[in-house]
Amino acid sequence: RKEVEQDPGPFNVPEGATVAFNCTYSNSASQSFFWYRQDCRKEPKLLMSVYSSGNEDGRFTAQLNRASQYISLLIRDSKLSDSATYLCVVKTGGFKTIFGAGTRLFVKA
Amino acid sequence: SAVISQKPSRDICQRGTSLTIQCQVDSQVTMMFWYRQQPGQSLTLIATANQGSEATYESGFVIDKFPISRPNLTFSTLTVSNMSPEDSSIYLCSVVVGEQLFFGEGSRLTVL
Repeated sequence: RKEVEQDPGPFNVPEGATVAFNCTYSNSASQSFFWYRQDCRKEPKLLMSVYSSGNEDGRFTAQLNRASQYISLLIRDSKLSDSATYLCVVKTGGFKTIFGAGTRLFVKA
Repeated sequence: SAVISQKPSRDICQRGTSLTIQCQVDSQVTMMFWYRQQPGQSLTLIATANQGSEATYESGFVIDKFPISRPNLTFSTLTVSNMSPEDSSIYLCSVVVGEQLFFGEGSRLTVL
């Protein structure tokens, strides 16, 4: 079993749609959780951190369920510019960082 | 935040040759990380580079194949040695500032 698993996608959605991605992690001692965005042929960049209480940043909402060991990302009112690969990232103790394989999102007009 | 400059941004190389990738950070950092991202895959950590000591390699990666230098707190190099087509990949350097990982723009390597 992979340490971090994501919906592989691709997700093809129309503009304005709401789309949700899930990610599960295997190490119950994981401490920090993030969603990164990677555009085609670009480096990953932090989209948002994920907190136990859930957090929202504009159209993006991230949630963490420690009991079930999964995190989610919800994108509301999708824009064409949201098309990218979304990487689920989990940090265990120290600096060990595990990346999911990514979920590809295509938003079409 | 951190600004990371990586070069070369891309290269096409013949098998059996070696390529050195350079990574320059705009601030002093204790650890620098080298990742590989193969086509269609996510990022895999190759090694962690500390200034003044040998790099720490992850399972499946060895120093003879991926020698790393870390001469100071703002610079590191990764060499991909004796390349084969299987080494075709994007190589990214990264640093941690606070809780956030910052990446260089990546070096896209194609081995013929």
